[in-house]
Amino acid sequence: EEQLVESGGGLVQPGGSLRLSCAASGFTFSGYEMNWVRQAPGKGLEWVSYISTSGNTIYYADSVKGRFTNSRDNAKSSLYLQMNSLRAEDTAVYFCAKEESSGYYSSWGQGTLVTVSS
Amino acid sequence: DIQMTQSPSTLSAAVGERVTITCRASQSISSWLAWYQQKPGKAPKLVIYKASNLENGVPSRFSGSGSGTEFTLTISSLQPDDFAIYYCQHYNTYSPTFGQGTKVEIK
Repeated sequence: EEQLVESGGGLVQPGGSLRLSCAASGFTFSGYEMNWVRQAPGKGLEWVSYISTSGNTIYYADSVKGRFTNSRDNAKSSLYLQMNSLRAEDTAVYFCAKEESSGYYSSWGQGTLVTVSS
Repeated sequence: DIQMTQSPSTLSAAVGERVTITCRASQSISSWLAWYQQKPGKAPKLVIYKASNLENGVPSRFSGSGSGTEFTLTISSLQPDDFAIYYCQHYNTYSPTFGQGTKVEIK
């Protein structure tokens, strides 16, 4: 069974950093593009970042560009999101999502909550 | 970026009713549209991809249609398990975008 499990969320002060992880199992991780999507409390879904199978191509939403870094380790079947210079508006549940070849997200993790507050 | 607008924002319906949710794109997106279902405290779940293709394991009472800028998600006979928030998503782009969501409530 396919599974994506996020971890690393928590409470952090404005300006701080946090690194999220997403552990994949049940499918050939190296063969799939991956994404991060977030959801602020009570709000809708917002795409955050995309990474290609090799990790050589990465895209970011304008709201996180220059502050967040998306990466992957195919040997460990893991996806990462390094978040720096965090702001209150980054408070959200962060999901990792597996992308099918044409671009829709066929599998999602359960999410990890990031709270940015002093 | 392409904007996705869903209507209505909230929909109240009874079990057994037919419901339709609309998603409009700010410019043509061909058929690059997915629908997701999200229940409270849970991850989104794929329902429809490429505008009208039913994801494996999703009940056949769900259907999608449309192309270009206007799309619909229809539930032919609403079941208790279907009460949730539904999001459309434009994909196959460097900047995928979601609609704001439609909450399907019990009438």
